[in-house]
Amino acid sequence: NAGVMQNPRHLVRRRGQEARLRCSPMKGHSHVYWYRQLPEEGLKFMVYLQKENIIDESGMPKERFSAEFPKEGPSILRIQQVVRGDSAAYFCASSPNGPGSPGANVLTFGAGSRLTVL
Amino acid sequence: QQQVKQSPQSLIVQKGGIPIINCAYENTAFDYFPWYQQFPGKGPALLIAIRPDVSEKKEGRFTISFNKSAKQFSLHIMDSQPGDSATYFCAATNTGNQFYFGTGTSLTVIP
Repeated sequence: NAGVMQNPRHLVRRRGQEARLRCSPMKGHSHVYWYRQLPEEGLKFMVYLQKENIIDESGMPKERFSAEFPKEGPSILRIQQVVRGDSAAYFCASSPNGPGSPGANVLTFGAGSRLTVL
Repeated sequence: QQQVKQSPQSLIVQKGGIPIINCAYENTAFDYFPWYQQFPGKGPALLIAIRPDVSEKKEGRFTISFNKSAKQFSLHIMDSQPGDSATYFCAATNTGNQFYFGTGTSLTVIP
């Protein structure tokens, strides 16, 4: 069991470019969460997805950010026209079940993708 | 609005000491309170968790104390070791809906 796999681990972009971060959940997990961690801050919820569905995107900035979790392949967090303030570590977590279900509280995190915007 | 408030921001203890990290919450609907440990360059890893129907939970050298009436919970690390040096996050959730994390405590255990 390889755990939650995120790539790239480090990504450098210039202002205005696009950043794509990928997350493959643990085997058997169909619920994916994205969090952002800024220096000296905690983890901020961004979005919760199941296969082919966005369940809760209340933490996502209204513009430039989008996420998907297709039927096949990893979940992708996409940031368009990046700005310096987007520099952060982006963590993906997965769980075997959705809210209210057994196991829903068990979040397993990946190692994160560290985005630097020049 | 910070749903979970964590203190202190940083903590330095001698080996063998008992660091204590505190968290407070407001939402009485929260029913699960995990602690995560994060080493530099790694993702957070679940350390220990508690539900509000118990006042204490112990796993190895790690203990959570929970005060439901005060809406506070804390992590105690017994006989701390240099290998415990990491950042610790408390969190709270309502049946697995959005998790709210504290701002983290950077712990350094001096040999």
